[in-house]
Parts: sequence; C-alpha cells; structure tokens
Amino acid sequence: DGGITQSPKYLFRKEGQNVTLSCEQNLNHDAMYWYRQDPGQGLRLIYYSQIVNDFQKGDIAEGYSVSREKKESFPLTVTSAQKNPTAFYLCASSSGTGNQPQHFGDGTRLSIL
Amino acid sequence: AQSVTQLGSHVSVSEGALVLLRCNYSSSVPPYLFWYVQYPNQGLQLLLKYTTGATLVKGINGFEAEFKKSETSFHLTKPSAHMSDAAEYFCAVSDTGANNLFFGTGTRLTVIP
Repeated sequence: DGGITQSPKYLFRKEGQNVTLSCEQNLNHDAMYWYRQDPGQGLRLIYYSQIVNDFQKGDIAEGYSVSREKKESFPLTVTSAQKNPTAFYLCASSSGTGNQPQHFGDGTRLSIL
Repeated sequence: AQSVTQLGSHVSVSEGALVLLRCNYSSSVPPYLFWYVQYPNQGLQLLLKYTTGATLVKGINGFEAEFKKSETSFHLTKPSAHMSDAAEYFCAVSDTGANNLFFGTGTRLTVIP
C-alpha cells in the first residue's frame, strides 16, 4: 500500500543534542512538507520541498534543517538551536499542485529528557 | 497571505445529533478548501475537498461541506453524530496554483452518549 512512513514514533532528546526524524513516501509525490503541531495552535509549516535537491523555509524554520537527496525521503533534523523542540511532528506529501490534498504520516512525538 | 478561522476550539454534541464545525477563510481569489480529521497520536486524514464545480461536497464517514463564496465559509456538517466521530478536525486552504496549505487551529469534537 502506498503511504508515508515516519519513524520513530517517539523520540527523546537530551540538551544540546541534534536528532533526526525520518520521513519516507512511496506515493511518487514531488512535494514534501514538515509541520510542527502544538496543542491549540494547529499545524505550522517548518520546511517544504517541491523537487529533489531543493527546499524552502516555512513559517518556523529556525532551529531545524532538512535535506532532499531522494524523491522518496525528506528527513528533518532538530538542532540544539531549537530551544523548545517538544512537539508532535508531521510529515506530508502531495503531487505538487494546489488542488491536490496533502497526505500525512502518523507523526513523531519528540520530548526533551 | 491566506488565513483560516475555525470558530470554536471545542464542540460537544450528543450521539445522533447534528454536527456543525465552522470554517471561514480569507482569500482574494477562490481557493481550494480541505477538511481533515485527526485521531489521537495519528496523522491527518482527508475528509473532503473543494476545488471547482459543485459547492456542496460529500466526503467520507457521512460528512459534507458547502463552499459559500459570499460568506467565505466552508462549514463541515454531518446529520447524525456517531461516537467514532470524536476527534480533532482541521480546515485548510490553499491558493489556486499554490502548493502550501494554511491550517486553522482545529476543533475538537466530543460526542456524548
């Protein structure tokens, strides 16, 4: 079945540590996205990529980094510069046109030790 | 920039009662509109979308929504609530030709037996 796989489901970070969240899709979608979800704030866009080897900052990119070396993969690194990383992170993909919906993975919950 | 307002962060209905979740958007051009549902610790699942054509859109699980351009609204309804409808619901909008979605802050639906 086609879909988006995020791993791990739960992740813990120590102070000063970088962690990387995985996102893989087999939908053959060109565009991929990372969102951060906090209670009562909806989804906020961190980074997005419309094509391999290209990505753009979203609304809250500070303290995060991404890469897009393969069409199927869009990993997100939460760096030590992100001072409040505890959140639910969602990855999504779409065919890349505005009238097509985004498809979401099941998320990664990141917590600070 | 686009914005989406979901009136009511929490809505409670009795089982079998009408469900009405409100969504208003700001856009200078007709947008694409989406409703998503999120169950605890899961990603978002598409309920329905409006792109062009008929303004009353039917989705999964008995939900439907009507695009009203004059009111800049896209309210979600279901005639009879079921216990399994308890979840968080997000309205989202994108510009024609654009790739990114703008999400509302969500409405948590509680269904009372």
